[in-house]
This record gives sequence, C-alpha cells and structure tokens, in this order.
Amino acid sequence: DVKVTQSSRYLVKRTGEKVFLECVQDMDHENMFWYRQDPGLGLRLIYFSYDVKMKEKGDIPEGYSVSREKKERFSLILESASTNQTSMYLCASSFDRGLAYNSPLHFGNGTRLTVT
Amino acid sequence: GENVEQHPSTLSVQEGDSAVIKCTYSDSASNYFPWYKQELGKGPQLIIDIRSNVGEKKDQRIAVTLNKTAKHFSLHITETQPEDSAVYFCAATLNAGKSTFGDGTTLTVKP
Repeated sequence: DVKVTQSSRYLVKRTGEKVFLECVQDMDHENMFWYRQDPGLGLRLIYFSYDVKMKEKGDIPEGYSVSREKKERFSLILESASTNQTSMYLCASSFDRGLAYNSPLHFGNGTRLTVT
Repeated sequence: GENVEQHPSTLSVQEGDSAVIKCTYSDSASNYFPWYKQELGKGPQLIIDIRSNVGEKKDQRIAVTLNKTAKHFSLHITETQPEDSAVYFCAATLNAGKSTFGDGTTLTVKP
C-alpha cells in the first residue's frame, strides 16, 4: 500500500514564524502535491511538483513556497505565517504516466496548523 | 481554469437507501474523474474513478456515471450502511494529476 506520511498531525505557530510542513511518500511517485482544506471550500491546490527540484504554482500559492530536493520528500514552507493560513494541509502523491493518462492521488492524513 | 460544483453539500439517508451526489465541471478537456471518501481524522481515499472514454463504472455498491456532453458526473451508493457516513469529494483532472475538487458532501447514514 502507498504510504504518504506527514510529519506533524497538529502544529501551533505564532504569526510571523517560518513554518515547515514535511511530507514523505514511499512508492517512488513522480508527482507530489500540497492542498489546503477549509470547511465549505473543498481542497485547494497550493503547489505541486512533477520531479526533483521542480515546482509549479497551484491555485493559491501566495504566502507559500515549496522544496523538493529528493523524489520522496516534498516540503511546504510558510515564509511568515499569518492567521489566515490556519487550516488543514494535505499532502498527496501520484504516478506520472504521461500527460494523457492521469492517476489517482494518494493522500496523507493531514497537518492541522493553527497560527495565533 | 477548471471549476467543479458539487451538490448537495449535506445528505442524510436511512440505512439501506440509496445516495446520489452530483458534480459538474467546466473544462471539456478534463479527462479523469475520481471520487474520494474522507473519514474523520484521515486524508481522502479514492473509492472509484472514471475516465472520459467511459460512461459508467460500477464497483459493488458504488457506481459512477459520466455525461461528457453535459459535463456532469455522479456518484451512486446503493444499500447504504452506517460506515458509508463520511465526506465525499468529486474531482476533475486536466493533466498530470492536477485535480480540481468540489466542495464536498457530508453523507450521514442513519441506522
């Protein structure tokens, strides 16, 4: 079974802090994603990566950056945390079978971040 | 970009009844439509998916239908059980796994 592990289940940070959310997958997936989940808003894509050292902006990248130094690890960085970044953050990965064929996402269990 | 609308936002059924959740999408180039189930405290998990070259797919009590012309797809759960209670998300995927999600449906199955 694919396992996507997010390093923290709960995090509480102060406004202005730099925050790192870590995600590791064990199935050699090429694609990795960061979503945030808010009540009534579904899942919104922050950033994604198709390969090591490669990143693409999603729909809501403002205030975030990412790092992918190794294939199995994808980090989400909040440069200066703000209260409106309080949310559930979900990491996901998938196989890359070419542009014409999409694969399902495999999600971690999420990190609930509170910024005070 | 792609836009996905999902209805209803909440659904309550009696055990044994059927449940139907509907989604519409905006970009006709989307070609992959997964459905995910999210239980409390967990990340979403794939329960069924359908590709744009197929009109219907069934897996035991769960089925998905796709109408490409109308750009809508639906999830059907028959003989619902209390363990089907969860939040369900539809998604439309354009390319390389980048999915746009609906806002979710909270399904409650009453024993």
